[in-house]
Amino acid sequence: QVQLQESGPGLVKPSETLSLTCAVSGVSISSAYWWSWIRQPPGEGLEWIAEISHGGTTNYKPSLKSRVTISMDKSKNQFSLRLSSVTAADSAVYYCVRNNPPVWGKGTTVTVSS
Amino acid sequence: DIVMTQSPDSLAVSLGERATINCKSSQSILYSSNNKNCLAWYQQKPGQPPKLLIYWASTRESGVPDRFSGSGSGTDFTLTISSLQAEDVAVYYCQQYYRTLTFGGGTKVEIK
Repeated sequence: QVQLQESGPGLVKPSETLSLTCAVSGVSISSAYWWSWIRQPPGEGLEWIAEISHGGTTNYKPSLKSRVTISMDKSKNQFSLRLSSVTAADSAVYYCVRNNPPVWGKGTTVTVSS
Repeated sequence: DIVMTQSPDSLAVSLGERATINCKSSQSILYSSNNKNCLAWYQQKPGQPPKLLIYWASTRESGVPDRFSGSGSGTDFTLTISSLQAEDVAVYYCQQYYRTLTFGGGTKVEIK
């Protein structure tokens, strides 16, 4: 059974970099599939941020592209998100996801505040 | 980007009655490898992550009650709750996973 688990700091200061990791179990991230990060600000809908393929190809949401990096560590079977220059608007629940067919982590709440 | 347009924004249905939510994609999301549509439906309750109900447009996730069903093809898709129960009050989202991931705006389902 494929499982995903997000981890990272729950509080980030404005202008700093948010770093999250998704640990994947039940499948090798380098064997197949695309893997994504999605976020949901409080009271709002779901927003796709970035994706990475099993081969390392990446795609980013255009409006976030200048601030986002997605990467993978095959040795640890995990992938990561870095979002730089954060503001309060980046406060959200962040989910890691296998794209197709969908499998989601439980999410981690990130608050941007000084 | 593939735009997902969901309707209605909210829906009030009596207990035991049918609830229908529609979702339209801006282009075909048919996956040629298996001839299935890359469309998923989620249920989200307050404070919880989205719960996968349906994928491949009509395949029910394990453990999901059979009152939930998905249908449609091409660009038009539907989620039906055949007999609404109190525990079905939630926000429902459609999502395409054909090219990156995009979501509908959500439909809030309430009891009338």
